[in-house]
Amino acid sequence: DTAVSQTPKYLVTQMGNDKSIKCEQNLGHDTMYWYKQDSKKFLKIMFSYNNKELIINETVPNRFSPKSPDKAHLNLHINSLELGDSAVYFCASSQAPGTGYSYNSPLHFGNGTRLTVT
Amino acid sequence: SQQGEEDPQALSIQEGENATMNCSYKTSINNLQWYRQNSGRGLVHLILIRSNEREKHSGRLRVTLDTSKKSSSLLITASRAADTASYFCATAGGGADGLTFGKGTHLIIQP
Repeated sequence: DTAVSQTPKYLVTQMGNDKSIKCEQNLGHDTMYWYKQDSKKFLKIMFSYNNKELIINETVPNRFSPKSPDKAHLNLHINSLELGDSAVYFCASSQAPGTGYSYNSPLHFGNGTRLTVT
Repeated sequence: SQQGEEDPQALSIQEGENATMNCSYKTSINNLQWYRQNSGRGLVHLILIRSNEREKHSGRLRVTLDTSKKSSSLLITASRAADTASYFCATAGGGADGLTFGKGTHLIIQP
């Protein structure tokens, strides 16, 4: 009964390739996120998305694009992979209360996808 | 930046002792949350404290928040080997930038 699941768990690929990471949540949450955790364990938000709005962290290269086929899925597509993209990528979801951008709800994280670009 | 910074970066104690971790942040917040991350796993939410709250308890966890000092602390009492993990604080400013995480405290409980 995994709440937030990501696939694959490990992804090793060469520079220049295009890859996707899939994320699904069965919690009925209306907001999903992608976070990047670097080698020093620093977590940085990349995107947040609900059925109304996609919010992009302006520092994220446009080679990264989230795609949401439905409310329970938020996939991450990465074009032209670079060495610096190597990291662990986490999907998360929450039930954001009300309107606006209040983050008064806990995030539920997947177990991460370790991406290694060679 | 609202980025929280945990202190210490690493902490090693004996089983049964109490562990205290601190978090400092820079700007006003809506709430502050603590998460645990076991090796190779995702983050697990532990506790959320709102800006108008000063202290919150959950089992062996006690969180305090001092908005005047822009700091929070997480106390784990009667530590267990299973508490070995990295602990992160995260702040929410109510804006569109979501939760901002600190770099974490790596806690090791020696049996």
